[in-house]
Amino acid sequence: DGGITQSPKYLFRKEGQNVTLSCEQNLNHDAMYWYRQDPGQGLRLIYYSQIVNDFQKGDIAEGYSVSREKKESFPLTVTSAQKNPTAFYLCASSHVSGSSKEQYFGPGTRLTVT
Amino acid sequence: AQSVTQLGSHVSVSEGALVLLRCNYSSSVPPYLFWYVQYPNQGLQLLLKYTSAATLVKGINGFEAEFKKSETSFHLTKPSAHMSDAAEYFCAVSPTGGFKTIFGAGTRLFVKA
Repeated sequence: DGGITQSPKYLFRKEGQNVTLSCEQNLNHDAMYWYRQDPGQGLRLIYYSQIVNDFQKGDIAEGYSVSREKKESFPLTVTSAQKNPTAFYLCASSHVSGSSKEQYFGPGTRLTVT
Repeated sequence: AQSVTQLGSHVSVSEGALVLLRCNYSSSVPPYLFWYVQYPNQGLQLLLKYTSAATLVKGINGFEAEFKKSETSFHLTKPSAHMSDAAEYFCAVSPTGGFKTIFGAGTRLFVKA
């Protein structure tokens, strides 16, 4: 079955530690995205990538970093510089052209930093 | 710049009643439009999409939405609410010439027994 996987589902870290969230897709999509979701709020775009080895900052990129070394993978690192990292993180992917540009989402990773 | 507005952060209906979730967009040209549903602690799932074909779009779980260009609206409806419809719903817009998607703030639907 094609889809997007995120791991782990729940992640706990101590303040001051960097942590990397995994995102893998086998949908052959060119574009991948990372969103942050806080309680009662919508989706905020952190980073996105349209092609391998290239990515752009979204609306709230400070304190985060990404890489896109393979088409299938788009890991997100939450650095110690992120002031309030506790949140629900969603990864998504999509085509970049044509009429099928809807985004497909992974199940999410809930990060708790104490 | 494109934007999307969802009227009402919370909507409450009785089981069996009509569900109406409102979405308005702003765009210089008709964009692609989407409705997504999110259940607690899960990712978003596509309910339906408008891509300039039929203006009345049918989706999964009995939902449908109508694209009205004159009103720049794309409201989501379901004739009869079920308890399992309780979730958060997001309207989204994507330009026909681009690929980034703009999401609305979401509407949480409560279904009362």
